[in-house]
Amino acid sequence: QQPVQSPQAVILREGEDAVINCSSSKALYSVHWYRQKHGEAPVFLMILLKGGEQKGHEKISASFNEKKQQSSLYLTASQLSYSGTYFCGTEIGVDYKLSFGAGTTVTVRA
Amino acid sequence: DGGITQSPKYLFRKEGQNVTLSCEQNLNHDAMYWYRQDPGQGLRLIYYSQIVNDFQKGDIAEGYSVSREKKESFPLTVTSAQKNPTAFYLCASSQTHGTGQEQYFGPGTRLTVT
Repeated sequence: QQPVQSPQAVILREGEDAVINCSSSKALYSVHWYRQKHGEAPVFLMILLKGGEQKGHEKISASFNEKKQQSSLYLTASQLSYSGTYFCGTEIGVDYKLSFGAGTTVTVRA
Repeated sequence: DGGITQSPKYLFRKEGQNVTLSCEQNLNHDAMYWYRQDPGQGLRLIYYSQIVNDFQKGDIAEGYSVSREKKESFPLTVTSAQKNPTAFYLCASSQTHGTGQEQYFGPGTRLTVT
């Protein structure tokens, strides 16, 4: 049930853009995105819900393609603070549990 | 400030000993969760609780036990039956257990068993 994230890692220069993808083999009810700095707690970025609703705290954009069962997170004009590991969590069943991908490590260099 | 506290940050134990990890939240959330994180892997759900005095097994519950006697507390015991207990353990909470509920995470406890 674990979603597949791609790429596994990406290196950017400040100001560059990147896309992180999250794919599921099952129909999705919602997709959650978190960023984790090394040794720290994951920090909530965004939730995308079936039907189009989105909830987020930061100026990060994402999309949710229900038909393709996938979500993409867009890092635009990246800053040094964007470095970290990004996880997607997918909700696929009536029990509301999240399954997390293995993560995408983003390194932004000056 | 509201949030989730986990203690201790680092924990060392000898093989064969049970150990209890603490998780406390003052967010007045009904739902709480325990995840395990191993290097290069995503978070895996151990146990979750939707309400006081109730909890359900997650995907990797074997060798772990929990209790939820108070709304704000959800301790996790790693028993000697857990074959590979060394990992980073994260506690989380959400307002309720349902679709689209944001989960807030604690700072984690890194457990090393030798």
